[in-house]
This record gives sequence, structure tokens and C-alpha cells, in this order.
Amino acid sequence: QQQVKQSPQSLIVQKGGISIINCAYENTAFDYFPWYQQFPGKGPALLIAIRPDVSEKKEGRFTISFNKSAKQFSLHIMDSQPGDSATYFCAAATSWGKLQFGAGTQVVVTP
Amino acid sequence: ETGVTQSPTHLIKTRGQQVTLRCSSQSGHNTVSWYQQALGQGPQFIFQYYREEENGRGNFPPRFSGLQFPNYSSELNVNALELDDSALYLCASSLSGRGTNYGYTFGSGTRLTVV
Repeated sequence: QQQVKQSPQSLIVQKGGISIINCAYENTAFDYFPWYQQFPGKGPALLIAIRPDVSEKKEGRFTISFNKSAKQFSLHIMDSQPGDSATYFCAAATSWGKLQFGAGTQVVVTP
Repeated sequence: ETGVTQSPTHLIKTRGQQVTLRCSSQSGHNTVSWYQQALGQGPQFIFQYYREEENGRGNFPPRFSGLQFPNYSSELNVNALELDDSALYLCASSLSGRGTNYGYTFGSGTRLTVV
């Protein structure tokens, strides 16, 4: 049973464009929602995270939007750059608990 | 401040053998979790250790076992290796306390190939 559903599976965006990745969750006990970036052969690296008491968090070109009532959250990558080409994972966890990852989105930024 | 380091980086084992993977947690972190990431998939939680005790386990058989040491480093042991155990094994450390986890730092992983 997949507790965190992520879409799309892949996306291609032009340099300077906006990448949008969406996730939905089932477990209302989740209280920590991070996004990870992973390059081939490397472990996931934390990009940005949000807790359910806020609806939006921005760090540089990366923004998380969170909709608690819909149990959905999304990652927006503004002004996408070729160096952003990677696989992005959303995840969710309870305090103390394991991270439940989405299936991942492969992002390709074309020059 | 050092990050999470894992060893070895790559490993090839034969079906039926046993393997031990090692992880040094980030300085100041007291919790270690292990994840299995099959090719093209998201990481799957194996188990978590806090203060040398297992305090959470995913849907993995008992032949997956672990240890956490007083310095918070950790080992993952897998017995009776199967071909499907081929994956990237990730260690993540975090600081836990008072019912709150303050975020996870992942190592680069150990790529295990079972032949």
C-alpha cells in the first residue's frame, strides 16, 4: 500500500521554466513533509521541508505548497536550470517515524 | 561537521551469502535509519535505531537485521542473500528527542549486487 503518491513520473522543462511536482498522502498522522533531490549514484539530499501548520514555504527557487484539507503538497522549482536535472522525491513522516517516499519524478531541464 | 558516511560503496555477493554494511552517522545525530532503494524506485524503510534499540521496522524479513553502537554508528546485516536484494542501501541519521525528529541526512549508499 503506497501511502504517498507522486506525479508525474517524469517531466521535461526548458531552462528558465517552472517545474511542478505533486504528491498526495493518506495518513493524517503525518506531520513532516520533506522533498529530496537525488543525482545518479548518490543518496537523497534534503531540499526543503514543511510542517502542516503552514501552507507555503519558500527557499530560494524552491517552494512547497501544502493543502492540509486535501492532503496534498507540491514542489515548485522556479527558473529551472540544467543543474536541477535530477530525480525528486516527496516524503512524509510522523514524529519519530519512518519516511514514506513517493515513487519519484525524473526532471530533465533542457538548455 | 561530517555528514553520513557509508562503506563499502559497492559490493558484489553471491546468492545465499551474508553481507554487512556500515554507516557512520552525522556528528550530533542519535538516530539511524536504513532504507533499500531498488533501481528506479523510491527508498523503502527497513528499520530505525535509537539509543542502540530498534524502534521501528518496515516490511522486511528477519534476515535483515541491524545494530547501533554507543557512538551511534550502525550496521545492516543481510543473511541468505537473494537476487532481489540487489539495490542501493541508504543510511540516514537524524537527531531525535522529546517526540520530535528534526530531519534526516542520507549517506551516498552502498550499491549491493547479488549474483
